[in-house]
Amino acid sequence: KAGVTQTPRYLIKTRGQQVTLSCSPISGHRSVSWYQQTPGQGLQFLFEYFSETQRNKGNFPGRFSGRQFSNSRSEMNVSTLELGDSALYLCASSLTGTGGSYEQYFGPGTRLTVT
Amino acid sequence: EDKVVQSPLSLVVHEGDTVTLNCSYEVTNFRSLLWYKQEKKAPTFLFMLTSSGIEKKSGRLSSILDKKELSSILNITATQTGDSAIYLCAVEPSAGGTSYGKLTFGQGTILTVHP
Repeated sequence: KAGVTQTPRYLIKTRGQQVTLSCSPISGHRSVSWYQQTPGQGLQFLFEYFSETQRNKGNFPGRFSGRQFSNSRSEMNVSTLELGDSALYLCASSLTGTGGSYEQYFGPGTRLTVT
Repeated sequence: EDKVVQSPLSLVVHEGDTVTLNCSYEVTNFRSLLWYKQEKKAPTFLFMLTSSGIEKKSGRLSSILDKKELSSILNITATQTGDSAIYLCAVEPSAGGTSYGKLTFGQGTILTVHP
């Protein structure tokens, strides 16, 4: 079974630009969560989608948004990029995202550098 | 707010040593605790511990959940250089409301195994 895939793997952008990252979950998984990982803050939850609906959102500004498609693929968008947005962005998929037996599996991440 | 603290933050050992990594947590309505291993890429799932499964073992790795002490340990016996990685502990609250798909991670323990 193929794992979680993310594209692109690396991205360099300039301050003020916007960026879209993509995540394809494991086949059959319907929940996709997004995380930001930085050396200073570690892994922080951005948001979670299930059946095309955002069910949960972390403490990030409105510049961070996302969506999920009917095939469970998800995208996240960051507008008006700031230097502090430089990070590894990870997505994780699980069967339902409701815990218990449904652990999250992570993709390889997208390394975003903002200059 | 949910909180996870790992210790030690870093550990250097030699091949063949046994190591114990610690994780303590504060979470509203605990559902599960997860351990991940992260090398230079995505975190890979190791174990999930819940009230109904407080002890897990896979090869040289084992983990125990202590719900009374709100903590967990990850043991690695007969360490190998390939065990060098960041070990992440995360907790998941019960489903619903602001809990969907959200894992709260600790800072991680950096394990270095020398030949």
